[in-house]
Amino acid sequence: GENVEQHPSTLSVQEGDSAVIKCTYSDSASNYFPWYKQELGKGPQLIIDIRSNVGEKKDQRIAVTLNKTAKHFSLHITETQPEDSAVYFCAASPSNDYKLSFGAGTTVTVRA
Amino acid sequence: DTGVSQDPRHKITKRGQNVTFRCDPISEHNRLYWYRQTLGQGPEFLTYFQNEAQLEKSRLLSDRFSAERPKGSFSTLEIQRTEQGDSAMYLCASSHVGEQYFGPGTRLTVT
Repeated sequence: GENVEQHPSTLSVQEGDSAVIKCTYSDSASNYFPWYKQELGKGPQLIIDIRSNVGEKKDQRIAVTLNKTAKHFSLHITETQPEDSAVYFCAASPSNDYKLSFGAGTTVTVRA
Repeated sequence: DTGVSQDPRHKITKRGQNVTFRCDPISEHNRLYWYRQTLGQGPEFLTYFQNEAQLEKSRLLSDRFSAERPKGSFSTLEIQRTEQGDSAMYLCASSHVGEQYFGPGTRLTVT
């Protein structure tokens, strides 16, 4: 089955700086890579996703990059704000409506 | 609120008791998923439905676990003879030929 590894497990950044989270996956059949943000006491919220036919995708302050050859993908958050503090999960799947395999999560803390 | 809803939000039970959780997906979402999340970990897939058909079950889903989606709308997840190791957040998600949207989860504590 798919194995997704995520690092770092914790990340502390100064407000306004950038944050980068990296994930690797093992199954070459994976073609869909979403990122979720989870705040305390809530379910994961989809923030951005990327499919294997695209190398990079941006949405305002967040961007994802994908390297299918190396089987890794990354989340970039620019101009971080206190409300970006949360746990972020990467995931991988053969398609967007099939089971997701998640990484272990990264706790991001944005210092004011 | 048109998001995924789950009930109850919290459940405390004694070891050996049976518990049942309910998930109401986003209207017209034909796929419904159950995941389990333990502290400090990402969600782990348990099972999923397309309409009322259960299409796949994880090895994590022992014979004490059963899930149903009788009319292709809401779903229930039952755990029989609960064990302390069942303590976790149980998450439900739904999709319609697209991204999965998660509910707030049911936190189960087995004492």
